[in-house]
Amino acid sequence: EVQLQQSGPELRRPGSSVKLSCKASGYSITDYLMHWVKHRPEHGLEWIGWIDPEDGETKYAQKFQSKATLTADTSSNTAYMQLSSLTSEDTATYFCARFEPDYWGQGVMVTVSS
Amino acid sequence: DVVLTQTPVSLSVTLGDQASISCRSSQSLVYSDGNTYLKWYLQKPGQSPQLLIYEVSNRFSGVPDRFIGSGSGTDFTLKISRVEPEDLGVYYCFQATHDPLTFGSGTKLEIK
Repeated sequence: EVQLQQSGPELRRPGSSVKLSCKASGYSITDYLMHWVKHRPEHGLEWIGWIDPEDGETKYAQKFQSKATLTADTSSNTAYMQLSSLTSEDTATYFCARFEPDYWGQGVMVTVSS
Repeated sequence: DVVLTQTPVSLSVTLGDQASISCRSSQSLVYSDGNTYLKWYLQKPGQSPQLLIYEVSNRFSGVPDRFIGSGSGTDFTLKISRVEPEDLGVYYCFQATHDPLTFGSGTKLEIK
């Protein structure tokens, strides 16, 4: 059974960074792109980008080019997203997702507050 | 970037009635391979988005046949016949034809 297990909620100060994890089971992450999506109730869903874990190639939405860094560790079958220079605008739930066919992580809440 | 405009923003429907959501794209979503990579998702409160429809009109595994996707080019529609209580949430269209991938702004379905 395919599952994407994300790390737990995070509380960070403005200006700091956070690294989120997404551990895949039931398949090899090198077989599919891993996407990351941001959700804020008042803003809806936003696609952040994808990583090809097989070769590390990444693609970002321009808005997240300087905000997010996607990486993957094939030895642990885990994808990561680091968010830097956090502001209140980064307070959101972040999902990892595999497409074709679809599987989504449960989401992780990141709160940025002083 | 491709802009997906969803209408209406919110929808209040009586149980058993039909609901219809429109998704209009700022450019054609037909990819060079001839396929149209337009999906529909439902995000229920506190949950991850769940795929309903892919490539305009194909129901994902386990999705009831009450959900019908249609359209082509730049205009797409999701119809939900015989709305049930578990259908409440926010519906999003999503395109994967053009980089960057983009979501529509969402349509909130409420039950009267």
